[in-house]
Amino acid sequence: DAKTTQPTSMDCAEGRAANLPCNHSTISGNEYVYWYRQIHSQGPQYIIHGLKNNETNEMASLIITEDRKSSTLILPHATLRDTAVYYCIVRETSYDKVIFGPGTSLSVIP
Amino acid sequence: DTAVSQTPKYLVTQMGNDKSIKCEQNLGHDTMYWYKQDSKKFLKIMFSYNNKELIINETVPNRFSPKSPDKAHLNLHINSLELGDSAVYFCASSSAGDTQYFGPGTRLTVL
Repeated sequence: DAKTTQPTSMDCAEGRAANLPCNHSTISGNEYVYWYRQIHSQGPQYIIHGLKNNETNEMASLIITEDRKSSTLILPHATLRDTAVYYCIVRETSYDKVIFGPGTSLSVIP
Repeated sequence: DTAVSQTPKYLVTQMGNDKSIKCEQNLGHDTMYWYKQDSKKFLKIMFSYNNKELIINETVPNRFSPKSPDKAHLNLHINSLELGDSAVYFCASSSAGDTQYFGPGTRLTVL
């Protein structure tokens, strides 16, 4: 079973920041938080990952709470092409099995 | 250049047939995976291979047989196809323990 819980769906206005929350209250010290997204009918696409510190790349920012029990993926300026299902995953890098939950279906609205 | 590629993209076949799906990665990764995404959209791992050796086998029926001729290829052969095998199958690759990169998927329809 997935070790994360996410809202089933969210809407975001085009051009605004999309903030996608994820709860992972049972995360262990050596588990990373990964985010992927799946645009309709395509393969999952890696977005970002982190352990303790906040991370930023060209796609998004990842904010992890100090207790590491939750995190937020931020898409700073959502576009229509960001409409997708977003998956939050926790995993040890030494363990290759990645368990996907149902994710959050994000709809970016014009 | 495509990093993880799969062929075919679509596969329609009759029950009872045997079919194969091919996967190739040009990322120099040593680990490859097969995932199945069913009609409910849950993405589940089936197999993983590291350096051509089977690492993960998630209680998949033995009608499914992965074959890895080399580190860059992981093919999935399915015998005696059943209606319930209809799904989208994704291949992925990674350096062991690192981020997994997914292919575009193969939509299998069993009639």
